Amino acid sequence: GESVGLHLPTLSVQEGDNSIINCAYSNSASDYFIWYKQESGKGPQFIIDIRSNMDKRQGQRVTVLLNKTVKHLSLQIAATQPGDSAVYFCAGRGAGSYQLTFGKGTKLSVIP
Amino acid sequence: EAQVTQNPRYLITVTGKKLTVTCSQNMNHEYMSWYRQDPGLGLRQIYYSMNVEVTDKGDVPEGYKVSRKEKRNFPLILESPSPNQTSLYFCASRGQGGRTEAFFGQGTRLTVV
Repeated sequence: GESVGLHLPTLSVQEGDNSIINCAYSNSASDYFIWYKQESGKGPQFIIDIRSNMDKRQGQRVTVLLNKTVKHLSLQIAATQPGDSAVYFCAGRGAGSYQLTFGKGTKLSVIP
Repeated sequence: EAQVTQNPRYLITVTGKKLTVTCSQNMNHEYMSWYRQDPGLGLRQIYYSMNVEVTDKGDVPEGYKVSRKEKRNFPLILESPSPNQTSLYFCASRGQGGRTEAFFGQGTRLTVV
């Protein structure tokens, strides 16, 4: 099955710096990955996704990198802002499956 | 506005008293699912439904029931709640071919005493 985890439970960055949140997965057959942001008291919110046939995808201020060789993905947030403070989850889906497996989350704190 | 709506947002109940948490989406999505979120354990899937009258167990289905009689609604039923079901619950939905579970509800915080 799929196992998804995050390297660090907490991350503190200065406002304006770039943030990098990492995630490792175990199932080499996983074909789809998603990053979610969860603010306090709210449900997870989709940020960006990437399919396994890609190694990079960019959104607005965010970039997801996928390294299938070492089964690792990362979320990069450029010019981190106070509004980026939240818990970030990666999630993966095995090929042919409808189910997502979530990592436990990294709490990002932005220092003004 | 596209959204997934859960009710209630907060609920305190007693052991053994049946309860239902409702979930409704207005996006005509086929796929809906329920998760529970616990400290240190992340989000774990309880049940999911790929369409009307089609439901299946997720990773932690014990003690829960669901139904999918119509496309927009996917209620979560706890026939006899126990304290270990105290948790934060999320409903989610997505359409076929779309981003997987792009839309989550705001959550229901359930406490069973």
